[in-house]
Amino acid sequence: GAGVSQSPRYKVAKRGQDVALRCDPISGHVSLFWYQQALGQGPEFLTYFQNEAQLDKSGLPSDRFFAERPEGSVSTLKIQRTQQEDSAVYLCASSVPGYEQYFGPGTRLTVT
Amino acid sequence: DAKTTQPPSMDCAEGRAANLPCNHSTISGNEYVYWYRQIHSQGPQYIIHGLKNNETNEMASLIITEDRKSSTLILPHATLRDTAVYYCIAPSGGSNYKLTFGKGTLLTVNP
Repeated sequence: GAGVSQSPRYKVAKRGQDVALRCDPISGHVSLFWYQQALGQGPEFLTYFQNEAQLDKSGLPSDRFFAERPEGSVSTLKIQRTQQEDSAVYLCASSVPGYEQYFGPGTRLTVT
Repeated sequence: DAKTTQPPSMDCAEGRAANLPCNHSTISGNEYVYWYRQIHSQGPQYIIHGLKNNETNEMASLIITEDRKSSTLILPHATLRDTAVYYCIAPSGGSNYKLTFGKGTLLTVNP
């Protein structure tokens, strides 16, 4: 079946703009994760949902970052007042509880 | 999560076995070892995981030492498409929780 999809694949934002990144997980996957990957680094955890409940948001770098999954399927990561240091690839992953995570291709965000 | 240590880079000739080591000396008894890889410009891809027994699937084999302080991922016949960054992870909450990737090993398969 279809894997995890993310949109847009590329996003250029001017400093101070708000952005919204979308993740469509694999159908039936209860768990959903967001990661941030800076250039040359490994992915870093941002937040975790089980169904619509956000169980861990300890990795969100500031209160400008907000994630939601209102119906327990599609998730949106929103970044308000973007800064240059927000430039990175944002990865979404989904899984069945207790099983491996499946990752999407990521959204590359460039803040100019 | 248990701390894992991997070499930053390795080379392998096409068609030969690639053996990627990982040290996880602080791993606890109930922490699995997971391996993911990330091909350039793609999201990470799950490869294999294990607890104490050696594991094999269609992608790779995982050899875990008896004391569980280290493991080796084996790609039996590396191809150019196996060139990627390989991450060894020992998440304390299992895979159904956040993964701490580190910097991994860049494996370059040469023709």
